[in-house]
Amino acid sequence: SQTIHQWPATLVQPVGSPLSLECTVEGTSNPNLYWYRQAAGRGLQLLFYSVGIGQISSEVPQNLSASRPQDRQFILSSKKLLLSDSGFYLCAWTTSIREGYGYTFGSGTRLTVV
Amino acid sequence: RKEVEQDPGPFNVPEGATVAFNCTYSNSASQSFFWYRQDCRKEPKLLMSVYSSGNEDGRFTAQLNRASQYISLLIRDSKLSDSATYLCVVKGSGGFKTIFGAGTRLFVKA
Repeated sequence: SQTIHQWPATLVQPVGSPLSLECTVEGTSNPNLYWYRQAAGRGLQLLFYSVGIGQISSEVPQNLSASRPQDRQFILSSKKLLLSDSGFYLCAWTTSIREGYGYTFGSGTRLTVV
Repeated sequence: RKEVEQDPGPFNVPEGATVAFNCTYSNSASQSFFWYRQDCRKEPKLLMSVYSSGNEDGRFTAQLNRASQYISLLIRDSKLSDSATYLCVVKGSGGFKTIFGAGTRLFVKA
């Protein structure tokens, strides 16, 4: 069966520090991968998605970036965090083969920038 | 107009009640539809897909009306454990453009 792992679970970082969040998927090949952010009490905002190694699409211009160095690995990064980067970061995957297949989310990283 | 709009919450209902959530979407080319459940400070989890003919999973019934661009979720015999936020999700063709509604919060009370 497919599983998705995301870490760390919580993170407190000072303003201006770098960020690296990692997500890996097991049990499937060539997944579509996504990074979402959810601000407190708000809906999900799509940040990046990837349909293959090295292929990244950005939905919202900001100081974050994403990379996909391996088929089942997706990394979210920042060189300098802002206070507004605080939120709940969720990685998700879906199959690239079947239409009508929902997303499966990782357990999320709760980031607080102080 | 938002691409996906849900009923404003929160809904406060007693145990055993029937509660209905509504969701409208603006893109008529949308292909797939889902309801997700999100517990407080947790990740969203797929509750059920929504099929054109309507579908049922235990106490949960989902309906889709493509002509009106409307999706619904009905929960019968509400349990305390049903308390959560319910997200309406609309997925476009090709699977890349997926829109999550802001969610409707449900509180089921004893």
